[in-house]
Amino acid sequence: SQQGEEDPQALSIQEGENATMNCSYKTSINNLQWYRQNSGRGLVHLILIRSNEREKHSGRLRVTLDTSKKSSSLLITASRAADTASYFCATDWRGGAQKLVFGQGTRLTINP
Amino acid sequence: NAGVTQTPKFQVLKTGQSMTLQCAQDMNHNSMYWYRQDPGMGLRLIYYSASEGTTDKGEVPNGYNVSRLNKREFSLRLESAAPSQTSVYFCASSVGNQETQYFGPGTRLLVL
Repeated sequence: SQQGEEDPQALSIQEGENATMNCSYKTSINNLQWYRQNSGRGLVHLILIRSNEREKHSGRLRVTLDTSKKSSSLLITASRAADTASYFCATDWRGGAQKLVFGQGTRLTINP
Repeated sequence: NAGVTQTPKFQVLKTGQSMTLQCAQDMNHNSMYWYRQDPGMGLRLIYYSASEGTTDKGEVPNGYNVSRLNKREFSLRLESAAPSQTSVYFCASSVGNQETQYFGPGTRLLVL
């Protein structure tokens, strides 16, 4: 079973609007990561946030982490057509497994 | 610096045929991974190698074998391909476990 689950599964907004995607997970983690995948391409890392961090920024991206609710959100501000992609969260867990587990992703479409 | 490379980009097999997917990274990373991605789905881990000389099963290892040939190369072998193995296969690498992963462009495999 997958550790992280993104919500919504699909999101369509107008260019210039903000996009928010959420990720929930089940067990305690060391860190949580967000990746982007353009159609037919490999995943590209966006942000890593550690369990002792609550918020992190990178350009137009803002990630929050609430370990008490076991959830994270990715906010993309002032969206552009080039932001159209699928976004995945990935979590490790503290159970000793040496790997990340990816959610099923949110498909974001930015309409011009 | 090519990052993570995968060959071939696309392959068509008949049921029962075998093939090896090749992956190489030039970032001196310790850990390497093989994932499969089915339409509309997230990534599922097939096998991973935490360091040179070690390999471990992931979520969906049945029907696959791997070889960590050296620090740079991690190959995935399908001994007897089945239609259920039709998918896009991604290789990734990271400095260490649970850290940022860097992905290759993927191999699209069709098993008839």
